[in-house]
Amino acid sequence: SQQGEEDPQALSIQEGENATMNCSYKTSINNLQWYRQNSGRGLVHLILIRSNEREKHSGRLRVTLDTSKKSSSLLITASRAADTASYFCATDALYNTDKLIFGTGTRLQVFP
Amino acid sequence: GAGVSQSPSNKVTEKGKDVELRCDPISGHTALYWYRQSLGQGLEFLIYFQGNSAPDKSGLPSDRFSAERTGGSVSTLTIQRTQQEDSAVYLCASSRQGSIHNEQFFGPGTRLTVL
Repeated sequence: SQQGEEDPQALSIQEGENATMNCSYKTSINNLQWYRQNSGRGLVHLILIRSNEREKHSGRLRVTLDTSKKSSSLLITASRAADTASYFCATDALYNTDKLIFGTGTRLQVFP
Repeated sequence: GAGVSQSPSNKVTEKGKDVELRCDPISGHTALYWYRQSLGQGLEFLIYFQGNSAPDKSGLPSDRFSAERTGGSVSTLTIQRTQQEDSAVYLCASSRQGSIHNEQFFGPGTRLTVL
């Protein structure tokens, strides 16, 4: 069964706007990761946030984590058409850190 | 190679045939994962290998699915007597052993179509 669920399922914005995607999960975790997928093929790791961290930045990406609500958000600032992709959150399990459970994904479309 | 490779990139087969999908992980990565992704869906975990430990097969959907990992490196996912519902992209990933950071590196996937 899937651990995480993202919302919205799909998001369409104009270039330059910010995109926010949310992820909820069910069990206690050690870390949460976000991945990006282009064209239904391999995923690329974007960022990892540990359970004792509340916010992390990487370039135009900002990730927050609220372990009390079991939720995370991914913010992409000043979006570009090249950001068009599907975005997935993935969590490990507290007692099985080598196995990731992926969410259902958000399909982001950025129009030029 | 520098990344995870998978072959074939596309496979079209007839219902009832067996197929084998191959994954070459990144050298030195002891953890290897197989996932299945149906059109427009998330990733469904299938099986996980970690070093010499017994694989975690909890995600395999039926006994028609099996996987091997020879010599702690290359892995083969076998689907016997394929069905149309097996049509999906099969993704392989690897990661370093014992890494709590657990970043997974994905291959490009094999798109399987069962006619």
